[in-house]
Amino acid sequence: DTAVSQTPKYLVTQMGNDKSIKCEQNLGHDTMYWYKQDSKKFLKIMFSYNNKELIINETVPNRFSPKSPDKAHLNLHINSLELGDSAVYFCASSPSSSKNNEQFFGPGTRLTVL
Amino acid sequence: AQSVTQLDSQVPVFEEAPVELRCNYSSSVSVYLFWYVQYPNQGLQLLLKYLSGSTLVKGINGFEAEFNKSQTSFHLRKPSVHISDTAEYFCAVSPSGGYNKLIFGAGTRLAVHP
Repeated sequence: DTAVSQTPKYLVTQMGNDKSIKCEQNLGHDTMYWYKQDSKKFLKIMFSYNNKELIINETVPNRFSPKSPDKAHLNLHINSLELGDSAVYFCASSPSSSKNNEQFFGPGTRLTVL
Repeated sequence: AQSVTQLDSQVPVFEEAPVELRCNYSSSVSVYLFWYVQYPNQGLQLLLKYLSGSTLVKGINGFEAEFNKSQTSFHLRKPSVHISDTAEYFCAVSPSGGYNKLIFGAGTRLAVHP
């Protein structure tokens, strides 16, 4: 009965590798997001999709490519991983792109690049 | 552009004492205001939000916050904290223009001691 789920929970990999993080929500929401939380706990939005369409892209390197196969899923693929990509990545969803909607967060994926 | 400043990076407090976590924001447009809590190794959970109307907002777990437009503040308060309130607290704004995205402050670590 998990609302927003992410896999994997932990991901340890070498520099230069390509990896993906998956996110699924069973809340029936139309809008999904990816946030990055750095080592100082600072959270910043990366992307947002509404009904499978990209609506927010916050100057993220093009090594990061989100993909939304349907409105319940938003995956994040990262090419040529760098040390600075180490962070916790949170997926979130909301009922619509309306600004007053609560966003529901997943448990996070801790990515460590060695 | 919008920004959020959480004035205290850490707040230590004894159990059953009152607490206030301070948040100031800057925005040239109207915003919605949120407080989220992050327990260790978990995702974020909404505590409360201000959209419009009464400036005193009550949330879950006995927390409340007061919106002060003239001081551009949205401070979070609880009259009596418990050990279980130990967590990271994030203030966030969602600007009225554009799509729904949360702009977070740097977080305040609340440490409740017995």
